Amino acid sequence: KNQVEQSPQSLIILEGKNCTLQCNYTVSPFSNLRWYKQDTGRGPVSLTIMTFSENTKSNGRYTATLDADTKQSSLHITASQLSDSASYICVVLENTGFQKLVFGTGTRLLVSP
Amino acid sequence: DAGITQSPRHKVTETGTPVTLRCHQTENHRYMYWYRQDPGHGLRLIHYSYGVKDTDKGEVSDGYSVSRSKTEDFLLTLESATSSQTSVYFCAISESGGSSYNEQFFGPGTRLTVL
Repeated sequence: KNQVEQSPQSLIILEGKNCTLQCNYTVSPFSNLRWYKQDTGRGPVSLTIMTFSENTKSNGRYTATLDADTKQSSLHITASQLSDSASYICVVLENTGFQKLVFGTGTRLLVSP
Repeated sequence: DAGITQSPRHKVTETGTPVTLRCHQTENHRYMYWYRQDPGHGLRLIHYSYGVKDTDKGEVSDGYSVSRSKTEDFLLTLESATSSQTSVYFCAISESGGSSYNEQFFGPGTRLTVL
């Protein structure tokens, strides 16, 4: 079964610190991998999209990496801010011709002052 | 939220009653989707539409029906609500369904409680 697993489930860090979130997937055939940020009470918002040929992509203080051989991805947040408190969801697009997204359960990040 | 509105935003209903959730977009995107989000699960696709009057089932479609009579509106109906349908429902849109780089944009969600 195609799955996306994320770790840790939750994380608390101090404002200004860095953190890294992990994502492992078994989705096949693979098309691309996305990271979404979901604020409490809001819909997910895309941070990055990477195909199998891209191993790093940045969006401001967010940097995603992808190792398509080991089927692992990470999202690194630099110099965290209080506004980074949210759930971060790893999503893999299954290459079926239709845009079928397989969602992880997310990592809940709390940035503490 | 990329020109997507959902109504109502919150609803409490009783088991056995019909419920209709509405998604409205102003982006003129062809594809529209309904997902549900539950604790311990990733978002799961209920139904999607690839054009006016063109819809198909997702992975958790039992107990739900959809309709799309206009490009901008996608309705999700629970014919007879059950407690297992208590969830947060998200609508999403995309310009196409097959492009690997095609973004899906999500609405703000509807929190539904079935008592």
